[in-house]
Amino acid sequence: DVKVTQSSRYLVKRTGEKVFLECVQDMDHENMFWYRQDPGLGLRLIYFSYDVKMKEKGDIPEGYSVSREKKERFSLILESASTNQTSMYLCASSDLGDGTEAFFGQGTRLTVV
Amino acid sequence: AQSVTQPDIHITVSEGASLELRCNYSYGATPYLFWYVQSPGQGLQLLLKYFSGDTLVQGIKGFEAEFKRSQSSFNLRKPSVHWSDAAEYFCAVGAWSGYSTLTFGKGTMLLVSP
Repeated sequence: DVKVTQSSRYLVKRTGEKVFLECVQDMDHENMFWYRQDPGLGLRLIYFSYDVKMKEKGDIPEGYSVSREKKERFSLILESASTNQTSMYLCASSDLGDGTEAFFGQGTRLTVV
Repeated sequence: AQSVTQPDIHITVSEGASLELRCNYSYGATPYLFWYVQSPGQGLQLLLKYFSGDTLVQGIKGFEAEFKRSQSSFNLRKPSVHWSDAAEYFCAVGAWSGYSTLTFGKGTMLLVSP
């Protein structure tokens, strides 16, 4: 069974902290994604990666960075967390090629206080 | 750039009644289209997808969707809704970029009444 695992379901962090959200996939997928989900706004793409050490900005990259040192792992980094980054974060992965299905993790609910 | 519109934020359907969730997309060429479902506190699960060919697509859990190029629509349907179908539904469009990035609509929350 395919699996995308996010390291935490719930996180509470303080304003100004550096926050790491981790995601691991076991499907040998080339592509990995980080989305942010907010009520009424749907899912918005933060960053994606199509290969190890490669990354591309999505629609809302400001305040975030990413790291992909190994094919199976994709990390989202909040350099200095702010309250407006309180949100649900979803990681996904997909195979190479046009229109391939994205598989999602269960999400990390991050609260910044 | 592609975009997706889901005009209904909430829909309430009686159990056993039929369901149609609307999705309109904007894209310059033939798109890849997806419907995902999200149960409370969970990630997204793929219901069905359209790439090409037959415009009526069958998915899991008894769902189907019809691609209508003339209307730029990809509406999701189910003939008889079950209480367990209560969830949030997202339509998404994928671009022919090779990266398979998806653009999502804002979602439709389905409520099922007894």
